[in-house]
Amino acid sequence: SSELTQDPAVSVVLGQTVRITCQGHSLRSYYAGWYQQKPGQAPVLVFYGKNNRPSGIPDRFSGSNSGKTASLTITGAQAEDEADYYCNSRDNSGSFWVFGGGTKLTVL
Amino acid sequence: QVQLQESGPGLVKPSQTLSLTCTVSGGSISSGVYYWSWIRQHPGKGLEWIGYISYSGSTYYNPSLESRVVMSVDTSKNQFSLKLSSVTAADTAVYYCARLEYSGYDSKFDCWGQGTLVTVSS
Repeated sequence: SSELTQDPAVSVVLGQTVRITCQGHSLRSYYAGWYQQKPGQAPVLVFYGKNNRPSGIPDRFSGSNSGKTASLTITGAQAEDEADYYCNSRDNSGSFWVFGGGTKLTVL
Repeated sequence: QVQLQESGPGLVKPSQTLSLTCTVSGGSISSGVYYWSWIRQHPGKGLEWIGYISYSGSTYYNPSLESRVVMSVDTSKNQFSLKLSSVTAADTAVYYCARLEYSGYDSKFDCWGQGTLVTVSS
């Protein structure tokens, strides 16, 4: 079982704001990374660390951390944001990496 | 721009060894900043980290797979490899190679291969 917990599915109306959350005890010690995966494609890093967005990722993607919860927020969701989103971090021991189970985002 | 590309058999028989290679282009695998990882995704499921290897050959494996995994690196070819022994149908998955960077509290898999489907079947 995954040590990082995500809601299986979330929906958002086009243009509205959506928050995808990830919970795990290791998040008290390590920042999460967030990955977007569209069908048939490899995951793409969209946000990581305290406040880092990779080059080329729209600024509507942002992240935050509080206690054992990490969040990815999409402000003004677009149709192309419909995808699976995975959080990732080190485990409690810091020795290896774990992924959340993923959240399927539907843009209505 | 760094690119990663997996290669290897798409079909492996049960009890045999799965072998994959990842070729890194556009950058050197010998950069000490990065660790070279394998991640898999069972059909319709989430992501599972298998392990990583450094350019110097240091490895770290997921404890759940550690007894069956061996990773190696060939800096002269800018490649790293995965061997997973005694495979079963449960090892059928898309296998990705990815570049890991971590320091302090941060980590990121910032570059991924396109993935390769490996099916375990007789």
